[in-house]
Amino acid sequence: GIQVEQSPPDLILQEGANSTLRCNFSDSVNNLQWFHQNPWGQLINLFYIPSGTKQNGRLSATTVATERYSLLYISSSQTTDSGVYFCAVSSSNTGKLIFGQGTTLQVKP
Amino acid sequence: DTEVTQTPKHLVMGMTNKKSLKCEQHMGHRAMYWYKQKAKKPPELMFVYSYEKLSINESVPSRFSPECPNSSLLNLHLHALQPEDSALYLCASSHYTEAFFGQGTRLTVV
Repeated sequence: GIQVEQSPPDLILQEGANSTLRCNFSDSVNNLQWFHQNPWGQLINLFYIPSGTKQNGRLSATTVATERYSLLYISSSQTTDSGVYFCAVSSSNTGKLIFGQGTTLQVKP
Repeated sequence: DTEVTQTPKHLVMGMTNKKSLKCEQHMGHRAMYWYKQKAKKPPELMFVYSYEKLSINESVPSRFSPECPNSSLLNLHLHALQPEDSALYLCASSHYTEAFFGQGTRLTVV
């Protein structure tokens, strides 16, 4: 099956810093999503981005499908950005998502 | 509205109990999913329902029994669980593109 690798596994930032999270996947995908999981367990949709570039406020994402990777950019980080960021992909028509191991982000004030 | 609602938020059950988790969506999505997430791990798929029919069972033990009464509702019936089944259970829905997740049920088996 498809493999999803995220890096780095852990990241500690000072408030106001910028960061880039990476997601590599081993096969063609028809769906790629970035999620932020808050401390209560809720998976919050950040981007649905099987290809191309999108921006939403301080966050942006780019997926280069031909090279099988996606990047999530966080600018001017805030303490509320802390949590686990997951990349998830699907290569089937069922919508079944395969998750990476996640990046745990801690933003210090 | 992109909301998926799960109840209850927390559940403690004994190994001989029978309980059910519930999930509801009103986005008109025709696919619904159950995922299980252990601490410090990513979510893992358990079941997929497509047009109210079970289409994927990821070799889940029979003590977990899914049910899709209609296109908006998804249940997960639990019976004779083990302590290692304690986890966060997440429901999701999609129309085979972007998926939306509920806030999860945190289950503890004692």
